Amino acid sequence: RKEVEQDPGPFNVPEGATVAFNCTYSNSASQSFFWYRQDCRKEPKLLMSVYSSGNEDGRFTAQLNRASQYISLLIRDSKLSDSATYLCAVTSNTGNQFYFGTGTSLTVIP
Amino acid sequence: NAGVTQTPKFRVLKTGQSMTLLCAQDMNHEYMYWYRQDPGMGLRLIHYSVGEGTTAKGEVPDGYNVSRLKKQNFLLGLESAAPSQTSVYFCASSVALGDSPLHFGNGTRLTVT
Repeated sequence: RKEVEQDPGPFNVPEGATVAFNCTYSNSASQSFFWYRQDCRKEPKLLMSVYSSGNEDGRFTAQLNRASQYISLLIRDSKLSDSATYLCAVTSNTGNQFYFGTGTSLTVIP
Repeated sequence: NAGVTQTPKFRVLKTGQSMTLLCAQDMNHEYMYWYRQDPGMGLRLIHYSVGEGTTAKGEVPDGYNVSRLKKQNFLLGLESAAPSQTSVYFCASSVALGDSPLHFGNGTRLTVT
């Protein structure tokens, strides 16, 4: 069983739409959670950390559900510039390894 | 402040050749990682280091060796390259365990023919 699983998509949404991604993880003792954005042929860049109480950064909202072992990312009012692949990352119970999902592809259409 | 720098950016090897990928970070981070990224497989951890002079195996360590002689550098070696090692390699670092995110270098595209 994979440590982290994501729906690969693709998600094709119109500008202004709201879109949500989920990511499930297998280790209930995982410590930390993150969302990364990766543009084509570029390195992943941190989008936001995910905290237990949920957190928001502008149009982006991240949630953690420890009971069901998933994290989510909500993007409101999608922009063309949001088109990218979104990767979730989960650390091991010791915190010294990061496990990544395969990524969810998002295309925002004019 | 350059962050995490990887060299080279591109390389083509023939089967059986060897090479070393260099990762350098100027953020004084303790922890450094090497990942490979393949289509449909996501990022997979090859080796990592929790400090100068220490290394540990990740998910897919076979065929690779690493060294962390200096805190700022983390080298990934391929002793005898195989076509299965064709991939994009990313180095990353973090300041501490747990809540600290990874900072990635811009990647090395390796093709083994």
